[in-house]
Amino acid sequence: QVQLQESGPGLVKPSETLSLTCVVSGSSISAYYWSWIRQPPGKGLEWIGYIYHTGTTSYSPSLKSRVSISMDTSKSQFSLDLISVTAADTAVYYCASHEVPGDTFDYWGQGALVTVSS
Amino acid sequence: SYEVTQPLSVSVALGQTAKITCVADKIATKSVHWYQQKPGQAPVLVIYRDTNRPSGVPDRFSGSNSGNTATLTISGAQAGDEADYSCQVWDTITVVVFGGGTKLTVL
Repeated sequence: QVQLQESGPGLVKPSETLSLTCVVSGSSISAYYWSWIRQPPGKGLEWIGYIYHTGTTSYSPSLKSRVSISMDTSKSQFSLDLISVTAADTAVYYCASHEVPGDTFDYWGQGALVTVSS
Repeated sequence: SYEVTQPLSVSVALGQTAKITCVADKIATKSVHWYQQKPGQAPVLVIYRDTNRPSGVPDRFSGSNSGNTATLTISGAQAGDEADYSCQVWDTITVVVFGGGTKLTVL
């Protein structure tokens, strides 16, 4: 059973960088694709991007200019950096896995609330 | 960019049938997945590839996809089915799109 756990600051100042890490357990990090998905309070889910252990990444066109996803296979974790944040980036951030592009998100972390505020 | 539209809310009487739609251009050409999300929890897959149920999901959940509309049907809705439901597609093999989510209320 794959388990995912997000961690990172719960409060980020406007214009700064939001950074989160997702630790993977119960599976090799090489076995799946790994995505970040967010959900602003009271709103719908928004996919941010994914990474594969080969280093392949794909990002949402609407966030591509501000997002970077990286992976540390030795620590079985992957990370999200979102630069130049505003209040609109306040959301619960989830990490999730899928076996291949085109497939479902089978495993999710519990989510981490990040608030952007001064 | 590909956009998927869901109704904000759907209400259903206890024991009746609820239908939640996702509308998008030629959505029938894509595989649609459906997630259930209860307050404070991560989404859970209830239908994959238009019509398939993961193990453990009750058979009162079913899906269809035709033309510009994909539909999640909940037959004999129960109080425990009250939740937000979101559809998800891959616009290409590299871009994921979620519908805006529908709040299901069981009366």
